[in-house]
Amino acid sequence: DAGVTQSPTHLIKTRGQQVTLRCSPISGHKSVSWYQQVLGQGPQFIFQYYEKEERGRGNFPDRFSARQFPNYSSELNVNALLLGDSALYLCASSLVTGSGYTFGSGTRLTVV
Amino acid sequence: DAKTTQPNSMESNEEEPVHLPCNHSTISGTDYIHWYRQLPSQGPEYVIHGLTSNVNNRMASLAIAEDRKSSTLILHRATLRDAAVYYCILRLTSIQGAQKLVFGQGTRLTINP
Repeated sequence: DAGVTQSPTHLIKTRGQQVTLRCSPISGHKSVSWYQQVLGQGPQFIFQYYEKEERGRGNFPDRFSARQFPNYSSELNVNALLLGDSALYLCASSLVTGSGYTFGSGTRLTVV
Repeated sequence: DAKTTQPNSMESNEEEPVHLPCNHSTISGTDYIHWYRQLPSQGPEYVIHGLTSNVNNRMASLAIAEDRKSSTLILHRATLRDAAVYYCILRLTSIQGAQKLVFGQGTRLTINP
């Protein structure tokens, strides 16, 4: 079975630009969450989506937004990029809420 | 948010058991304890999780204190492939039903041949 797939794997953007990151969960997984991992730190929760509805949002500015599609794939959008947005963005899916999560390998975003 | 506290680093020898401790004194009754591990340039990998009772799976065992304020991840026979950063995490559930993993700084585990 394919794991959680994220695209692109690496991305370089300029300050002020906008970026869209994509995630395909494991087949059958209806819950998708997004995390930001800054170098040397543990991941931080950004969003959780379940059955196409936003269930939770972390302490991130409104420049961050996300959505989940009918096939349960998800996109994370970040507007007006700042240097501090440079990080590894991780997507995680789970079969049902309460089970273990499967993470993708992430998208490495560099803002210059 | 409830937090976890782990040693920054630990070292062990190949083929020996490893006990990774974690303190979570502010844990709430509905918070699950999760453990994940992460290799460089990879996403975290699920290891094990539990609520109150000790748990075993093919990767590890999770021992949870009776008061739930601490837990220990046990790798029964470490291999070089177990070298990673191990995160002890609380899975929080909000009133609205949102679930999030609250990561700490993790423990960097080194395995000596």
